[in-house]
Amino acid sequence: AQKITQTQPGMFVQEKEAVTLDCTYDTSDQSYGLFWYKQPSSGEMIFLIYQGSYDEQNATEGRYSLNFQKARKSANLVISASQLGDSAMYFCAMREASFLSYTGANSKLTFGKGITLSVRP
Amino acid sequence: KAGVTQTPRYLIKTRGQQVTLSCSPISGHRSVSWYQQTPGQGLQFLFEYFSETQRNKGNFPGRFSGRQFSNSRSEMNVSTLELGDSALYLCASSLEGVNEQFFGPGTRLTVL
Repeated sequence: AQKITQTQPGMFVQEKEAVTLDCTYDTSDQSYGLFWYKQPSSGEMIFLIYQGSYDEQNATEGRYSLNFQKARKSANLVISASQLGDSAMYFCAMREASFLSYTGANSKLTFGKGITLSVRP
Repeated sequence: KAGVTQTPRYLIKTRGQQVTLSCSPISGHRSVSWYQQTPGQGLQFLFEYFSETQRNKGNFPGRFSGRQFSNSRSEMNVSTLELGDSALYLCASSLEGVNEQFFGPGTRLTVL
């Protein structure tokens, strides 16, 4: 069964510095997708970045980049130039290919426990 | 373009009651997934609906059920509520062939 591990209980970073949030995963599928979501105290899950298992380049979305190391089964999120608004819970998630429908639509994300990030002014 | 909306945002029920939560996906999205978030278990997949059909189901008891209407709006129902059902229930919608799932603000259910 698929599993996502996020072991950092809480992270602190100074404003304008970079921070790396760790994520390791376990799956027997060759095809899968990895996601990072941000959850502020309001509760809504905000999509940040996606990495496909066959993507050769690491994904980047603005200040977010994903350090994908397939052999080590890790998908760490790097946030550059942290801002106060980055303070939130961050979740790593995985979707296995077996849960893709013929339409290619999404289903069943498996989430890690999350990491709390606090940005200090 | 309006995002995913969930109603109600907050709900207080007592044990044994039943509850219905509603989710309206982004216009054009036909896939709707439901997740339960608790401090102890984290985020867990409940089920997914696509074109009015349940396509995937998580490991939850039969007290948890759902449905999807022809306009893609979805409802989930929890019968015979237990204290452990207190959670944030999140709904997400997605477009075929697109990786991203868009989440709503959630419904926070408290069972007393």
